[in-house]
Amino acid sequence: QVQLQESGPGLVKPSETLSLTCTVSGGSISGYYWSWIRQSPGKGLEWIGHIYYSGTTKSNPPLKSRVTLSVDMSKNQFSLKLRSVTAADTAVYYCARDAGDEGKDFWGQGTLVTVSS
Amino acid sequence: QSVLTQPPSASGTPGQGVTISCSGSSSNIGNNYVYWYQQLPGTAPKLLISRNSQRPSGVPDRFSGSKSGTSASLAISGLRSEDEADYYCAAWADSLSGSSYVFGTGTRVTVL
Repeated sequence: QVQLQESGPGLVKPSETLSLTCTVSGGSISGYYWSWIRQSPGKGLEWIGHIYYSGTTKSNPPLKSRVTLSVDMSKNQFSLKLRSVTAADTAVYYCARDAGDEGKDFWGQGTLVTVSS
Repeated sequence: QSVLTQPPSASGTPGQGVTISCSGSSSNIGNNYVYWYQQLPGTAPKLLISRNSQRPSGVPDRFSGSKSGTSASLAISGLRSEDEADYYCAAWADSLSGSSYVFGTGTRVTVL
């Protein structure tokens, strides 16, 4: 069974960079897209972007200028960097496996990131 | 602001059926697959329906999805207390600034 686990700082200062890593276990990163999704407190879901195991990326247009996605196949991990954060970026951040037309079939438990000084 | 519109809430008694709608446009639902996700309180979303109407392994057949034109629906039959959750539709959306994966506004299902 594929499992995903997010890791990274739970508190980031305004204007700094949010950095998260998702570790995949029980399966290989190869052959799939890997997504980041976030959920602001009490709000709905927002797709941030995805990265193919080969390194090709796509990001949500409103966030594209601030997002960097990367993958490390040797560690079976992929990562998110979100620059110049504000309080509006406070959210639970989820990583998920994107099985193409089959949908986002495995999710991490999520990690809360708070942007505050 | 999401481009996929869902009713904020739906409810039913145990054993009843509930249907949740998801309204979009030709740039999203009209030309792409629809997905449904279930989010139980305090947990991560779970894929419930893929490719408009396909249930992943392990999803009870009480859940069914359909799509017609620029709208989609999720039907839950034989409502159970454990179905109390938030439900989100999702689809790829095409725009001038590029494509993106969009989620619906979400529907909270309450079992009375």
